[in-house]
Amino acid sequence: SAVISQKPSRDICQRGTSLTIQCQVDSQVTMMFWYRQQPGQSLTLIATANQGSEATYESGFVIDKFPISRPNLTFSTLTVSNMSPEDSSIYLCSVEDTPNLGTTFGSGTRLTVV
Amino acid sequence: QKEVEQNSGPLSVPEGAIASLNCTYSDRVSQSFFWYRQYSGKSPELIMSIYSNGDKEDGRFTAQLNKASQYVSLLIRDSQPSDSATYLCAVNLDNYGQNFVFGPGTRLSVLP
Repeated sequence: SAVISQKPSRDICQRGTSLTIQCQVDSQVTMMFWYRQQPGQSLTLIATANQGSEATYESGFVIDKFPISRPNLTFSTLTVSNMSPEDSSIYLCSVEDTPNLGTTFGSGTRLTVV
Repeated sequence: QKEVEQNSGPLSVPEGAIASLNCTYSDRVSQSFFWYRQYSGKSPELIMSIYSNGDKEDGRFTAQLNKASQYVSLLIRDSQPSDSATYLCAVNLDNYGQNFVFGPGTRLSVLP
C-alpha cells in the first residue's frame, strides 16, 4: 500500500485565517482525495484531485473555500480558507491503491478554529 | 442520496466473544464494499474488502455480503480489547474508480 505523509498533524487557527494541508505520497497515484471528518461523525468527501486538472468538488464544498492543488502525481494540498469554528474537523487525504482495493488514508490533520 | 447505515453503538462484547457489526446500503448497483477500523485519534485503516455474495475470511475477521438484501456485515471472532475502535462501513459507488460513501461507524468496546 502507498504511504502518505500528511502535515500538519494538528493546528489551532484564528477565525478568518487560512490553513494549507499537505499530502506527500511515496508513489505516483492518479487520483487523490480529500475528506473531512467532523467530531463524532463519519467521513465526507470534499473533492477529488487529479494531476493536471481542476479538482472535482462534492455537493456542499466549493473551490473558493477549499482550494486544492495537485502539481504532480505524488503531492497535493488542501487549503481551508477564511476559517470559522465550523471548520474545526479532521481533514484526511487518501489515495486509491488500485481500483476496488479500497483507499489508504494519510494520518490526518486535526484543525481547531478559535 | 446514496446512504450507508450502521448502528452507532456502542457495541460492548466480552473478551473472547464474537462481535457482529452490520451495515446496509441504499445503492443497488454498488459492487465493492469495505470495512475500516479507526482508533480514536487515528485515521481509518482498511481491514476487509468484499465484492461477491457470501463470506470472506481473513484471520479473525469475516465479512459477509448479501447484495439482494443490500447488507454487509463484519464478524470479529475471539474479540480482544485491542479491537476496541470505531468500525466504518464503506461502499464504492464507482466500479472503475473510487467514489466512496462511508457509514457513520459503529463504536466497538471489547471488555477484558
